[in-house]
Amino acid sequence: GAGVSQSPSNKVTEKGKDVELRCDPISGHTALYWYRQSLGQGLEFLIYFQGNSAPDKSGLPSDRFSAERTGGSVSTLTIQRTQQEDSAVYLCASSLEGGGISYEQYFGPGTRLTVT
Amino acid sequence: GNSVTQMEGPVTLSEEAFLTINCTYTATGYPSLFWYVQYPGEGLQLLLKATKADDKGSNKGFEATYRKETTSFHLEKGSVQVSDSAVYFCALRATGRRALTFGSGTRLQVQP
Repeated sequence: GAGVSQSPSNKVTEKGKDVELRCDPISGHTALYWYRQSLGQGLEFLIYFQGNSAPDKSGLPSDRFSAERTGGSVSTLTIQRTQQEDSAVYLCASSLEGGGISYEQYFGPGTRLTVT
Repeated sequence: GNSVTQMEGPVTLSEEAFLTINCTYTATGYPSLFWYVQYPGEGLQLLLKATKADDKGSNKGFEATYRKETTSFHLEKGSVQVSDSAVYFCALRATGRRALTFGSGTRLQVQP
């Protein structure tokens, strides 16, 4: 079946521009996560959505970062006024959730963002 | 806070050698522990997991045992293959949390 998909696969942008990264989770998965993989910081959690609950934004590094999830499915991560330190691979993951049990997170291929 | 420490890489081995990648963690309560693998050009994949003390996760010849007393989850394989060349990440999910906390990753290179 279809896995988690992300677009674009690569994005090059100029410093100061805004960018939007898209994630399509696995159909039926109610939980969606964004992570960032960078040389200096490793793999770090950014934000988590679960159903209609308020998202866990505790990993967002600054107020330039925001994310939304429409209709409980597709999610968009937006970075405003990009800085060179935002250059990283942005990973999306989804999982089933329910009954207080957390299931395996399935990761997408990532979007490689380069800020010049 | 929660953290995961992995041995520095790269680890270079000859085919059929024994592999150990060390992983230790800091977390309150009883976290679940995971090993993820990232093959060249591919996304992260779950390799194995353990959800309570003394559990052993295993998959594709890899094993790891959840050791509460030493807060460790070392990855082992008895005989590595060239196809095992990848980056391996140890991770935990703390009690009451949904997000994963990852180690820095260990690159494994297996030479024929």
